[in-house]
Amino acid sequence: ETGVTQTPRHLVMGMTNKKSLKCEQHLGHNAMYWYKQSAKKPLELMFVYNFKEQTENNSVPSRFSPECPNSSHLFLHLHTLQPEDSALYLCASSQDPSSNEQFFGPGTRLTVL
Amino acid sequence: SQQGEEDPQALSIQEGENATMNCSYKTSINNLQWYRQNSGRGLVHLILIRSNEREKHSGRLRVTLDTSKKSSSLLITASRAADTASYFCAPSGAGSYQLTFGKGTKLSVIP
Repeated sequence: ETGVTQTPRHLVMGMTNKKSLKCEQHLGHNAMYWYKQSAKKPLELMFVYNFKEQTENNSVPSRFSPECPNSSHLFLHLHTLQPEDSALYLCASSQDPSSNEQFFGPGTRLTVL
Repeated sequence: SQQGEEDPQALSIQEGENATMNCSYKTSINNLQWYRQNSGRGLVHLILIRSNEREKHSGRLRVTLDTSKKSSSLLITASRAADTASYFCAPSGAGSYQLTFGKGTKLSVIP
């Protein structure tokens, strides 16, 4: 185990649904990240949070809404997604953004019907 | 941030053989990391090599870095079926904290 947990592990949702992905890290880290991994594409960084503040948003559509209530928890709220949003969503954390080593959770496999 | 490119895209070997995969990048770096991903799971950090290092070992892993050629290699010795996974390199430049991953090398170790 890496110390980063994600729930749910699998999620199937319709395009009109609203759902949330949750990530929790037990490592005392200050930076947290959301990545998207689609089939046959490189891992894409979506959001970066440092000390609960969003520091990066890599042109992610507004149907993805992140929330970081504290340094240990990170959410990704999903609303009116498209089938092409189906992917593995990975959360990661690091001591701080300048610390390159990142610890990843197991991911949430999302399927949008 | 910059993206590393792993080569080959896929590699299939027999258990007990060595596996070598390569990574190339474009601009100068502070360090380079290698990660492993088992199918449908999160990435696991394997090793970090700094720009002033040429070689680093961790168990059955050996990483080399050639900054003049902007390349790195990961060698897994005496491979096991459990080494079957995708391997990614992540080069990181000065002042950059974003990790950008390539498509990885998919390693299959046949028992």
